[in-house]
Order: sequence, then structure tokens, then C-alpha cells
Amino acid sequence: AQTVTQSQPEMSVQEAETVTLSCTYDTSESDYYLFWYKQPPSRQMILVIRQEAYKQQNATENRFSVNFQKAAKSFSLKISDSQLGDAAMYFCAYRRGGGAQKLVFGQGTRLTINP
Amino acid sequence: DAGITQSPRHKVTETGTPVTLRCHQTENHRYMYWYRQDPGHGLRLIHYSYGVKDTDKGEVSDGYSVSRSKTEDFLLTLESATSSQTSVYFCAISESAGRSETYEQYFGPGTRLTVT
Repeated sequence: AQTVTQSQPEMSVQEAETVTLSCTYDTSESDYYLFWYKQPPSRQMILVIRQEAYKQQNATENRFSVNFQKAAKSFSLKISDSQLGDAAMYFCAYRRGGGAQKLVFGQGTRLTINP
Repeated sequence: DAGITQSPRHKVTETGTPVTLRCHQTENHRYMYWYRQDPGHGLRLIHYSYGVKDTDKGEVSDGYSVSRSKTEDFLLTLESATSSQTSVYFCAISESAGRSETYEQYFGPGTRLTVT
């Protein structure tokens, strides 16, 4: 079974600084996708960034980027120029390739932004 | 934002009573999912649907049933609510093949259910 592990229950960063959230996963599949979701206090799950396993290039979305290390099964999220609005729970998620495949989530990392 | 609504948004119920949560989408997406979120566990899949009347179990399906009679609605029923089912429930939808290779899942706002 696939598993996703986020080893940092909490992280904090100064506003405008850079922070990296860690995620590792375990799978024997070759076709899969990885995601980072943000959950602010409103509870809404917001998709931040996605990575296709077959792509070597790391995904980037504005201030958010990932470091995808396929051999190491590592998928970290880097947030540059942290803003107060980035404060939230962040979840790493894995999905096997194909149609109706479930997301497997990590336990989450609570990110605090210090002004 | 994907057009996904959940009702009710909050509910308190007593142990042993049946409860039905509704997920409604306006996106005409094929796939729909029910997850529960508990502290320390992230989100875990309860059931999912890959079409009208087509459903399957997820990893934590015991005590839950689902139905999908229309593309836009996916119902989650707690047959006899227990305190262990106190949780936040999220519905999600994803697109079908050919329109989104990653089948990104988009989530509803969640329902907080308390079983006393």
C-alpha cells in the first residue's frame, strides 16, 4: 500500500523568508502524481501545486516550487517570500495513475508565519 | 473555484441515529469522493463514485454507505452514527480522462459532524 509521510508536524518562518516542507512517499508504481494542498483556517482544501512522476522538471507555481527526487521518493515544497496568508496546514498527497484513484494524504504540517 | 457544495455544513446528532450528508457539484465531473479528516490522519477515503450508480469502497468504509443517482449528487449515509464518526467530512470531484491527465481533485467546503 502507498504511504505518505510528513515528518514535520509544525514549522514556522519569518515573513518574506523561504521555508521548505518535507514529504516522503512509498510506492512501487511507476505512474503516479504528487500534490501539495493548503488548508487555511477556513478549512477549505486548496490545490497548491502538482507534479507528474514522469516529468523530471520540478513544478513551479509563482512563489511555490517543489523538489521532486524520484529515486529518493521525496517531494518537498518550497515557499519563497513567505506571506502572512501562507499560514495554514499543508498536506502532501499521492495518487496512482488512472481514473478514479484515491488521494493518499500525509498527516500535514502546520505552517506559522511570523511577522 | 470548482462548483461544489456540501450540506449541511455543521451537524450535531446522537449516537445511533442515521445521518445523510450531501455533496452537489455543478461541474459535470465523472468522479466523486468522500473523505474524512481527523487529527493526525490527514484525509482518508471513505467511498468514491466513478459514475451514476457506480461506487466503490475506500480505506475507511465501515459504517458508511453512499449513493449516486444523478451525476451532480453524491450522498454519504452513516447508517447508525457512533462517536468515532465525529469528524470533518469532505467531498471531492475530479475530471474524466482526456480533459485532465492528472485527474486533479477539487474539494468542497467540508461538513463538521459531531456525534454525541
